Amino acid sequence: DAGVIQSPRHEVTEMGQEVTLRCKPISGHDYLFWYRQTMMRGLELLIYFNNNVPIDDSGMPEDRFSAKMPNASFSTLKIQPSEPRDSAVYFCASSRGRVAKLFFGSGTQLSVL
Amino acid sequence: SQQGEEDPQALSIQEGENATMNCSYKTSINNLQWYRQNSGRGLVHLILIRSNEREKHSGRLRVTLDTSKKSSSLLITASRAADTASYFCATDEPGNKLVFGAGTILRVKS
Repeated sequence: DAGVIQSPRHEVTEMGQEVTLRCKPISGHDYLFWYRQTMMRGLELLIYFNNNVPIDDSGMPEDRFSAKMPNASFSTLKIQPSEPRDSAVYFCASSRGRVAKLFFGSGTQLSVL
Repeated sequence: SQQGEEDPQALSIQEGENATMNCSYKTSINNLQWYRQNSGRGLVHLILIRSNEREKHSGRLRVTLDTSKKSSSLLITASRAADTASYFCATDEPGNKLVFGAGTILRVKS
């Protein structure tokens, strides 16, 4: 298995632009998580899905953030409009079962200028 | 919010020495996990310990859990330069969230 695949690896955009981050979880995993990592706030859970259904999105910072999981093999995290304070590394992770180890992707380094 | 808090924030040791990192948390948990993150990479799962377990081993790793003190420790024995990384504990909060601590930065000097 290729593991959790995220794209793009790096994204540089200007303030106000729409940003879409993509994630392909490991086949057979029923949980998918989006995390954001910054030096100031560490790793923050933004949202997670179970069987493609959003379960908890209380970590999504603002309405500018949205996430979807249209099928078991694909999820997106969208920021519209983006702001400089959104600059961070965004990780996608998946697991088989809730009480299980997470498999992380390599992350997307987002820079909003 | 951060449930687990690691201590120390940073640790620098010589190759061959043991490294001990601690994690404290606030609420009751079902399990606690430890992860490693190399610079510029995603997190990698190391070990999971359940609340009814007190100690667990995996290779050079030893994890202990004391639920009465709400704390856990990760011991890496005979450290290697390749162990240089950040180490995070993660606890499952009520409401089924897995929450990560701020991490310990470990540097192993060769």
